[in-house]
Amino acid sequence: GAGVSQSPSNKVTEKGKDVELRCDPISGHTALYWYRQRLGQGLEFLIYFQGNSAPDKSGLPSDRFSAERTGESVSTLTIQRTQQEDSAVYLCASSLYRSNQPQHFGDGTRLSIL
Amino acid sequence: GESVGLHLPTLSVQEGDNSIINCAYSNSASDYFIWYKQESGKGPQFIIDIRSNMDKRQGQRVTVLLNKTVKHLSLQIAATQPGDSAVYFCAENPAAGGKLIFGQGTELSVKP
Repeated sequence: GAGVSQSPSNKVTEKGKDVELRCDPISGHTALYWYRQRLGQGLEFLIYFQGNSAPDKSGLPSDRFSAERTGESVSTLTIQRTQQEDSAVYLCASSLYRSNQPQHFGDGTRLSIL
Repeated sequence: GESVGLHLPTLSVQEGDNSIINCAYSNSASDYFIWYKQESGKGPQFIIDIRSNMDKRQGQRVTVLLNKTVKHLSLQIAATQPGDSAVYFCAENPAAGGKLIFGQGTELSVKP
């Protein structure tokens, strides 16, 4: 079946612009996660959605970052007034919401801020 | 703060040899651990997981060992192949269903 799909795969934008990244999770996965990966580093948690519960936003680095999710489907991550330090790969993952289920990742959006 | 770290940033092995990648974790409350493989330009790919009530789990050519006493996790790859070349991450889940905490990764290079 289809895996996690992210778009665009690459995004280049000027400093100060807003960007919107999209994630389509695996069908039937109720949990959705966003992570950021800087070059040569591990993944940093950003935000987590589970069903109708309030999202866990504890990893968002500033109020320029926000995310929405439509039901148990598509999610968008928005970065406002982008800065050069926002350059990274943004990865989305989804999982079944039962204890101890693996998260399955998309291939990410590579964001470059000029 | 909480962290999951790897002992070796790079590992080079000969094709056909066994590989061992190590990981230390700091959150004693974590009850679920995962190993991921990440190839260049791709997202992390699930390899194998283990729950804290186990100390060993085997998959196809891979084995994960968990030592809760010293908070250590390892991934063993048998008969390493060139296609195994990638960055390997361990991750812990300190809260069921929640975020994963990732280590920095170990780059595995397989020499033919």
